[in-house]
Amino acid sequence: GAVVSQHPSRVICKSGTSVKIECRSLDFQATTMFWYRQFPKQSLMLMATSNEGSKATYEQGVEKDKFLINHASLTLSTLTVTSAHPEDSSFYICSARDRMAGRNEQYFGPGTRLTVT
Amino acid sequence: GDSVTQMEGPVTLSEEAFLTINCTYTATGYPSLFWYVQYPGEGLQLLLKATKADDKGSNKGFEATYRKETTSFHLEKGSVQVSDSAVYFCALAHNTDKLIFGTGTRLQVFP
Repeated sequence: GAVVSQHPSRVICKSGTSVKIECRSLDFQATTMFWYRQFPKQSLMLMATSNEGSKATYEQGVEKDKFLINHASLTLSTLTVTSAHPEDSSFYICSARDRMAGRNEQYFGPGTRLTVT
Repeated sequence: GDSVTQMEGPVTLSEEAFLTINCTYTATGYPSLFWYVQYPGEGLQLLLKATKADDKGSNKGFEATYRKETTSFHLEKGSVQVSDSAVYFCALAHNTDKLIFGTGTRLQVFP
């Protein structure tokens, strides 16, 4: 149980285009989903917290107009990287909090490798 | 602000060796502490956690004790297996959902 999927697992796009990444909780309902970014040999950095039916809360320094987050249902959140540039190349990871589990229990997706050329 | 520091890897061990991965933290108050493991090609999985001082989290032969006096949460296992090869992340969280991670430590176990 408590499986989170991400799609796609890898994506390569050209500079200036937009890319959408999906995060799904497969066997539970998630009122809250989280988006992280991971640089090589660095820790996961929280980008934003996504709450179903409301606007996402972004961490300091994260451009909300560049990283659009939509949490349209209890099982799906999407991250859209708009007008991507090479510096946006990174590993993006989502997690979801099971509304029935403990407050600090998060389940993580396998991540999406974005490469902007 | 709050932060987590863990030893750089990779840690390379032979099968059945003893494992220690050091983790220290800086935080106000009394956060919960976690160890997550990431196997190749998979998402992070919660390995164990401790929510208050002197608590010991344990799972799959791994243990970690919440040491308030040394602000540490070192991960240990008495006898590692090849299947334990993965990246291990130490993390903390207060009563919010925000997890603060260390940089991760890669463990490589050889037969």
